[in-house]
Amino acid sequence: DARVTQTPRHKVTEMGQEVTMRCQPILGHNTVFWYRQTMMQGLELLAYFRNRAPLDDSGMPKDRFSAEMPDATLATLKIQPSEPRDSAVYFCASGFSTDSYSYEQYFGPGTRLTVT
Amino acid sequence: SQQGEEDPQALSIQEGENATMNCSYKTSINNLQWYRQNSGRGLVHLILIRSNEREKHSGRLRVTLDTSKKSSSLLITASRAADTASYFCATDTRNNNDMRFGAGTRLTVKP
Repeated sequence: DARVTQTPRHKVTEMGQEVTMRCQPILGHNTVFWYRQTMMQGLELLAYFRNRAPLDDSGMPKDRFSAEMPDATLATLKIQPSEPRDSAVYFCASGFSTDSYSYEQYFGPGTRLTVT
Repeated sequence: SQQGEEDPQALSIQEGENATMNCSYKTSINNLQWYRQNSGRGLVHLILIRSNEREKHSGRLRVTLDTSKKSSSLLITASRAADTASYFCATDTRNNNDMRFGAGTRLTVKP
């Protein structure tokens, strides 16, 4: 039963620390999304990759956030330095898409980040 | 920015009743997708309807799409307490080809 995995599931850190979240997409999927979910803002698209190339990261605060796909089995989202307003649940999702069409996404369980 | 807007924001019904949720969007789409999220979990894909389709069924779910009104509805028939969750619509937009989610409808089904 293929699924998207995310680590860690929970992270509590102090303001100013670096946070790295990891995602393993489903094998064979060519598209990876990073989302952030909060009560106030709902589900926000931060960045997404197709065939490991970043396509859109306009939803991400560039000064502190970075997203990469070092290989097809790993996507990372880093926050440096972290701030209390970054506290949220971060979801990774994978799926299949072409230049003109996106299919359903499969979500991971999320990383619940708390920055104190 | 969000593309879909769900309506209502919250819905409370009795078990056995039908639940209808609506989604409106702004730009042309390739397809529209509905997802469910149980509290504390990731989203789960329910159904995808293409822009050239008007209605689609999956078990107790029925989705309609009206591209002229830029709106979709999700109907859950004979609801169960286990259907309690948040429901989101997401659109695959033609100009960006990314997925944008709405704010969701929180459905509560009372036993």
